[in-house]
Amino acid sequence: QSALTQPASVSGSPGQSITISCTGTSSDIGYYDYVSWFQQHPGKAPKLMIYDVTNRPSGVSDRFSGSKSGNTASLTISGLQAEDEADYYCSSYTTSNSPVVFGGGTKLTVL
Amino acid sequence: QLQLQVSGPGMVKPSETLSLTCIVSGDSISSSNYYWGWIRQPPGKGLEWIGSVFYSGSTYYNPSFKSRVTISVDTSKNQFSLKLTSVTAADTAVYYCARPQGGRGRMGAYDYWGQGTLVTVSS
Repeated sequence: QSALTQPASVSGSPGQSITISCTGTSSDIGYYDYVSWFQQHPGKAPKLMIYDVTNRPSGVSDRFSGSKSGNTASLTISGLQAEDEADYYCSSYTTSNSPVVFGGGTKLTVL
Repeated sequence: QLQLQVSGPGMVKPSETLSLTCIVSGDSISSSNYYWGWIRQPPGKGLEWIGSVFYSGSTYYNPSFKSRVTISVDTSKNQFSLKLTSVTAADTAVYYCARPQGGRGRMGAYDYWGQGTLVTVSS
């Protein structure tokens, strides 16, 4: 089972927009619309930010949005704020014998 | 409000069995349509899915753990458990239990997490 591929790090200035990519295969992201994104601050449990590619759970800011094209999903954060600085992980349902796979994580730095 | 609490020893010796329990409050495992999951995170590394269990006892596992892992559910106690055998230092990690959004396809869309517990494998 291969992890989904994410950039190790991204950065942006307050107020800017950034996009984090998550690349999988035709067996996971390319096959299902079951991509999720998580935000994790140091020492804390992950927090669900996006599910089903584009849906935001109640209480999550609309500055966070998700999309998908082919085998790649993306998380976009607009109007960057200092508190957005965290690690971000994607996950997807898969057709393999291991139904859940995570990305390796992306560290977002707000400059 | 749903709460998940991980309980179990914080240290395990190499070659022994790691055993953790996730105690669920605020929702009944037996009346819900969720695949309750275990996820771990080695220090300084990313998230790794371990496996999930349905209230019926049906399970899904990450094949990376081969035959070392067993996840079970006890509906009478409203809890589910993780056992990982033959542990090594590589199994040192923060272990989380979690509940996903719902439905099999959303098995990885965890919206409720336990507090996580660091399990260190050391003699």
